[in-house]
Amino acid sequence: DAGVIQSPRHEVTEMGQEVTLRCKPISGHNSLFWYRQTMMRGLELLIYFNNNVPIDDSGMPEDRFSAKMPNASFSTLKIQPSEPRDSAVYFCASRSGADTQYFGPGTRLTVL
Amino acid sequence: RKEVEQDPGPFNVPEGATVAFNCTYSNSASQSFFWYRQDCRKEPKLLMSVYSSGNEDGRFTAQLNRASQYISLLIRDSKLSDSATYLCVVDSSYKLIFGSGTRLLVRP
Repeated sequence: DAGVIQSPRHEVTEMGQEVTLRCKPISGHNSLFWYRQTMMRGLELLIYFNNNVPIDDSGMPEDRFSAKMPNASFSTLKIQPSEPRDSAVYFCASRSGADTQYFGPGTRLTVL
Repeated sequence: RKEVEQDPGPFNVPEGATVAFNCTYSNSASQSFFWYRQDCRKEPKLLMSVYSSGNEDGRFTAQLNRASQYISLLIRDSKLSDSATYLCVVDSSYKLIFGSGTRLLVRP
């Protein structure tokens, strides 16, 4: 059974470029989460979707960040324009109700 | 004050040692608690849930003290493969709040 799938696994881009991260949650899971992890700030929740609807985006750092979930099997996190301080590992996670939350392998983003 | 606080460590212990990690949380309404494990450059994975009565899974024992808002994880007979970062996690309604993690290094 496939877990949470994220792509790309690694992304290196230059400041000012648009970055799109992708996530496919586990089939049947109705909650999807985007996290960012850095050494300085640890694991931070950026946004949470329930049944494809954004419920809490209070963790989104600023307007340069946007997330969508057009259907139950796909979500994107977009950064436009990207900045060096956006460099981090971005994790997607999914969950069914109050069950265990499963993380994807993450996308390691480097903005030069 | 952070919602979930942990000692970052690192805890450097020999194989076979017993080691304990502690965690405090600020939201007294929290209902569910977990320990996740994260290996270097990998995603966090659930290690175990934490129940009010305390629970054990092999060499791992988790305890919850609701009155003190305190969670603990005890690892007995440490193995080299236990080296990782251990994240204390509190379920705050729909979302999980992660501590910054405690790093464990088990040496031969």
